[in-house]
Amino acid sequence: DAMVIQNPRYQVTQFGKPVTLSCSQTLNHNVMYWYQQKSSQAPKLLFHYYDKDFNNEADTPDNFQSRRPNTSFCFLDIRSPGLGDAAMYLCATSVTGDWTEAFFGQGTRLTVV
Amino acid sequence: SQQGEEDPQALSIQEGENATMNCSYKTSINNLQWYRQNSGRGLVHLILIRSNEREKHSGRLRVTLDTSKKSSSLLITASRAADTASYFCATHGTASKLTFGTGTRLQVTL
Repeated sequence: DAMVIQNPRYQVTQFGKPVTLSCSQTLNHNVMYWYQQKSSQAPKLLFHYYDKDFNNEADTPDNFQSRRPNTSFCFLDIRSPGLGDAAMYLCATSVTGDWTEAFFGQGTRLTVV
Repeated sequence: SQQGEEDPQALSIQEGENATMNCSYKTSINNLQWYRQNSGRGLVHLILIRSNEREKHSGRLRVTLDTSKKSSSLLITASRAADTASYFCATHGTASKLTFGTGTRLQVTL
């Protein structure tokens, strides 16, 4: 049973058209992460929520926003996608503490046309 | 920004050989984790080592951590073709921030 679910698995959007990617979890974890991963590269942390506290990475473009309306759901909004935003977007969850791993969803592959 | 650098970037070995990957990082950590990723798929957690631990084993995996050198290594013994994947270290730090290294692409041939 999937514990971190990302929808959709594949998303095609037009250049400049806002798009939202979603992530839900059944683990009741207090930490949620969004990563961007381009081909043959490492996952790059965009931001993460530590409970309700939003932590934005300094080099995350303003074009990327996130919402976490409750513990279970987290959204990634790309306000004006550019061709360079085409990538795999990965959501992950974990709990606070130094003994726990992160659980990843299968990712959403975003194509910008 | 990436927290860690991994080397080698790519590693090709034959089935049955051991594979060693190294990870270096920059800031203090709570723990260090290793993940595996098959092409186009999500990340799968392999093993976690806390900052106060020096070595950990799980099946064919052995991880070491040297916090004084800010480095870790992952050893896969008796590799199999199915071990072919990318391997990433990830550091867990303040406010549960989890940051990945650059990764090692492992190819295991028959």
